[in-house]
Amino acid sequence: DTAVSQTPKYLVTQMGNDKSIKCEQNLGHDTMYWYKQDSKKFLKIMFSYNNKELIINETVPNRFSPKSPDKAHLNLHINSLELGDSAVYFCASSQLSEQYFGPGTRLTVT
Amino acid sequence: DQQVKQNSPSLSVQEGRISILNCDYTNSMFDYFLWYKKYPAEGPTFLISISSIKDKNEDGRFTVFLNKSAKHLSLHIVPSQPGDSAVYFCAASAKSNYQLIWGAGTKLIIKP
Repeated sequence: DTAVSQTPKYLVTQMGNDKSIKCEQNLGHDTMYWYKQDSKKFLKIMFSYNNKELIINETVPNRFSPKSPDKAHLNLHINSLELGDSAVYFCASSQLSEQYFGPGTRLTVT
Repeated sequence: DQQVKQNSPSLSVQEGRISILNCDYTNSMFDYFLWYKKYPAEGPTFLISISSIKDKNEDGRFTVFLNKSAKHLSLHIVPSQPGDSAVYFCAASAKSNYQLIWGAGTKLIIKP
C-alpha cells in the first residue's frame, strides 16, 4: 500500500487555467508538506501543515493555496497558471524529521 | 544563501568499489542530518540519518560520518551496486522546527 500518494502524476495545462493536485498519506503523520523541484533540481519547501494548521508558508505567489481537509490530506490549488509554474511538485509527510515523499506530479504549463 | 551544499553535481564509481558522497553545512543550529535517494520519476526516499550527538551511523552497506567541527558529513556506500545509481540528497534540520534544508543533490553513476 502506498504511504504517500499524489494525483495526478502528470498534468499538462494551458496558461491561465486553475488546477489542483491532491495528496494523501496513510502513515498517521501529523505534518504534511508541499515541495517544488525546479529546473535546477533544487527541492524548495512551499508549505507545511501540522494537524491541518499552516506552520510554514515560504515565499510563493498567492496563486498557490494549500488546503487540508484533515490531517491525512493536503491538496494544492493553483490559480491562473503561468509558464514558470512548470515543475515537479512533491508532497511529503512526517512525524519528526524523517519525511516520506509521494511520487511527484509533473506539471507542464503551455 | 545555501545552508546545505553538495558541491559535486555528479560522481562516477566502479561497481564493487566505495562511493563517497559529501555534504557541507553552514548553520551550527542543525542537529539532525539525513540522506535521501531519488530515482528518476519517483519521490526521494529516506536512506539514513545521523544525530549531532554521534559521529557515525551504519546501516548495512551505508555509513554516514559527521564531522561537526568541519560542518561536514559524508555518505559511504560499500560495495557499490548498479541499483545505487540515483541522485542523493543531503538534508539538515534543527530540533526546534524539524524543517528540512536540502542540498542540490549529487548524481551517482555506478559503472559495471
